[in-house]
Amino acid sequence: DAKTTQPPSMDCAEGRAANLPCNHSTISGNEYVYWYRQIHSQGPQYIIHGLKNNETNEMASLIITEDRKSSTLILPHATLRDTAVYYCIVRVTGGSYIPTFGRGTSLIVHP
Amino acid sequence: GAGVSQTPSNKVTEKGKYVELRCDPISGHTALYWYRQSLGQGPEFLIYFQGTGAADDSGLPNDRFFAVRPEGSVSTLKIQRTERGDSAVYLCASRRDRGVGEAFFGQGTRLTVV
Repeated sequence: DAKTTQPPSMDCAEGRAANLPCNHSTISGNEYVYWYRQIHSQGPQYIIHGLKNNETNEMASLIITEDRKSSTLILPHATLRDTAVYYCIVRVTGGSYIPTFGRGTSLIVHP
Repeated sequence: GAGVSQTPSNKVTEKGKYVELRCDPISGHTALYWYRQSLGQGPEFLIYFQGTGAADDSGLPNDRFFAVRPEGSVSTLKIQRTERGDSAVYLCASRRDRGVGEAFFGQGTRLTVV
């Protein structure tokens, strides 16, 4: 699976949008982009995934660049409960899938 | 509950002892993963089961670590002759099957070796 690069930390004001970038310049055509987050003392939680098109669900939006070499996870109205470590993972379709985590981005949402 | 359940939530053991950590995946999920997470690090892959068999155990650090899933549901991670360096949070996750889909994680077992 392609490797990803994320900034180690970010902060955001409560109520504002949090935009978390991820670089995956070696991504191949059959690889999806997945995002998970891990709130302190909990297991990772799935947020969203996408292949080419932008995706939105009740938690977040995922914007994937046209060349697919990078993506941005958007939390449109961050709350204090969104403080967590966010992981961007790239994986192939089908077959065995082993989520491989880097160090992620530690997002702190402040009042 | 409907989620992945791990027991115990906390385990303190003495160096050299044997421990077992249990994972109850979501019912019907055929894929099961074990991870280990140290402070400030992302989860580190240990072993992956597809059904009853270990499809990939390349992440197990040494032969003191072993995991089983005899009936394709509950899994047990076993650590022999524990060392202080084994102290970490051990996470279990399950997925419905192969292909596209999310993995659901348990809350983890915090293992402390003293």
